Amino acid sequence: DAGITQSPRHKVTETGTPVTLRCHQTENHRYMYWYRQDPGHGLRLIHYSYGVKDTDKGEVSDGYSVSRSKTEDFLLTLESATSSQTSVYFCAISVSSGRGGEQFFGPGTRLTVL
Amino acid sequence: GESVGLHLPTLSVQEGDNSIINCAYSNSASDYFIWYKQESGKGPQFIIDIRSNMDKRQGQRVTVLLNKTVKHLSLQIAATQPGDSAVYFCAENSGGGNKLTFGTGTQLKVEL
Repeated sequence: DAGITQSPRHKVTETGTPVTLRCHQTENHRYMYWYRQDPGHGLRLIHYSYGVKDTDKGEVSDGYSVSRSKTEDFLLTLESATSSQTSVYFCAISVSSGRGGEQFFGPGTRLTVL
Repeated sequence: GESVGLHLPTLSVQEGDNSIINCAYSNSASDYFIWYKQESGKGPQFIIDIRSNMDKRQGQRVTVLLNKTVKHLSLQIAATQPGDSAVYFCAENSGGGNKLTFGTGTQLKVEL
């Protein structure tokens, strides 16, 4: 698991409410990522981070924001959750600082927006 | 846009047979490829990777083949076991920040 935990593991919320998902790593890796996984789409990158306070958008960033104030924590926030954001969310880290490093994934958070 | 896709969404094999899972990619600039295995309810698990300067790489019971001419990647699993049942994803790295683009996955079912 490369020391990756995600919290909460499951969450049910209502449309319009804010939601924050947390990813925590214990090994001080620089690169961290948030993906969502939906049937028929595989894994799609939402946001990623190069380091503390250094983040960038991925393929499906609309409706999501992230923050990284410490190396070990990467937070994903849905400011106003919508039903289209019902998904399984995975955090990942890259163990390589150079191009082409493999990513290791956390256990996932299943989010349901009613 | 650029995409990574899979030829077969579901593959059924008999226990003990070899499995071959295929993947097509379209970004000729991609220089690093990974195969992941995902079991139900879990996150993707790294299996094996290959760089574009190679055409074959072997691991324990797994082999990845890369054909850059036709932009095709395959994962071969030898002597497939029930524990190999999972969804398999290929992914390519073609951008900065070690960003990966994933295929939609192939479900491998191992029949006893």
